[in-house]
Amino acid sequence: AQSVTQLDSQVPVFEEAPVELRCNYSSSVSVYLFWYVQYPNQGLQLLLKYLSGSTLVESINGFEAEFNKSQTSFHLRKPSVHISDTAEYFCAVSISSGSARQLTFGSGTQLTVLP
Amino acid sequence: SQTIHQWPATLVQPVGSPLSLECTVEGTSNPNLYWYRQAAGRGLQLLFYSVGIGQISSEVPQNLSASRPQDRQFILSSKKLLLSDSGFYLCAWSKFVPNTEAFFGQGTRLTVV
Repeated sequence: AQSVTQLDSQVPVFEEAPVELRCNYSSSVSVYLFWYVQYPNQGLQLLLKYLSGSTLVESINGFEAEFNKSQTSFHLRKPSVHISDTAEYFCAVSISSGSARQLTFGSGTQLTVLP
Repeated sequence: SQTIHQWPATLVQPVGSPLSLECTVEGTSNPNLYWYRQAAGRGLQLLFYSVGIGQISSEVPQNLSASRPQDRQFILSSKKLLLSDSGFYLCAWSKFVPNTEAFFGQGTRLTVV
């Protein structure tokens, strides 16, 4: 079975500073990787995804993540954060499991951007 | 375009009372459907998933049950709520291919008192 580890439960960072949210996964088969963002009392929204091809994927709001197969990682980065980036971020892995597809989520990282 | 509706947004229920949360999807057919629970300060726990009408898979033993009476309707129920059932419940859907993401509803905040 696959699993996802987000090493940091809380990441405080000052506005305009860079940030990296770490994600490692374990799986014996090929995976698809996702980052979701959750604002308070809302559902999850897809931030970016890696399916195949280029190992560096980008979102429209300046986040990027790099798939590293040898390190089984999919860390999320942003070179300069804004107050509005404060949210919880979830890494997820997907594989084909029998007749159903399941997403497995990490425990989440709360990013707090400080003024 | 596809949309997912989940209600109610918030719910306060006494211990021992029944529960029914509903989720519907529009704009797609034969979706995979999911119920997740998010406890305070914790990640997402998959409770149930369904690949078709009447087909429910349970991920963890618990006080809850799920049903899928129609293709795009997914219901989470309990006969008697426990305090430990409090949490944020999220419904989601995805297409039946492994390389697509899941789309989430806005969630239901359940407080059992």
